[in-house]
Amino acid sequence: QQQVRQSPQSLTVWEGETAILNCSYENSAFDYFPWYQQFPGEGPALLISILSVSDKKEDGRFTIFFNKREKKLSLHIADSQPGDSATYFCAASPSGSWQLIFGSGTQLTVMP
Amino acid sequence: AQTIHQWPVAEIKAVGSPLSLGCTIKGKSSPNLYWYWQATGGTLQQLFYSITVGQVESVVQLNLSASRPKDDQFILSTEKLLLSHSGFYLCAWSPRQYNNQAPLFGEGTRLSVL
Repeated sequence: QQQVRQSPQSLTVWEGETAILNCSYENSAFDYFPWYQQFPGEGPALLISILSVSDKKEDGRFTIFFNKREKKLSLHIADSQPGDSATYFCAASPSGSWQLIFGSGTQLTVMP
Repeated sequence: AQTIHQWPVAEIKAVGSPLSLGCTIKGKSSPNLYWYWQATGGTLQQLFYSITVGQVESVVQLNLSASRPKDDQFILSTEKLLLSHSGFYLCAWSPRQYNNQAPLFGEGTRLSVL
């Protein structure tokens, strides 16, 4: 049973639009949520992360919105660029654990 | 300079043959180290983690083993490869004593088992 779910599986937006990628989880013990960006053939790169004590985290064009009650979070990519086309993974870590559990990813395509 | 170096970049191996993949971390004192596996087009599965030399914890059993012979080195191996071992193997590190710190990944090793 998947502990971290992502939707949609794939997303296409136009250049300049805001892309919204969703993530949900089941385990209330999860308290740390990093997002990774992965280009084909490369290792994933850390994009932005949030702790469950916060409801929002911004870094440039990337914003995480976090709803602890509903166990949901989303990554907003403002002013999307063709270079943002990649697969994005949401991950979750339980408090006090070395484990990191990944979702299945969202493949984002930004059309010029 | 890259902090994390994985070798080899790619391998093509026969079923039943042995495997050894390596990872070296540069310039970081006593990092936490991790091995992940990714099927083509799939998600990342954590395999092992190590917080100190000589100690490795298994997260999932895939007929693989890992060792940390030096503070800056992490090795993934098996004596007998299966077809299901094909995929992308990623080494990652995070600063010591932080378990709420996202691991940073290397460039990976692409393994094809035929």
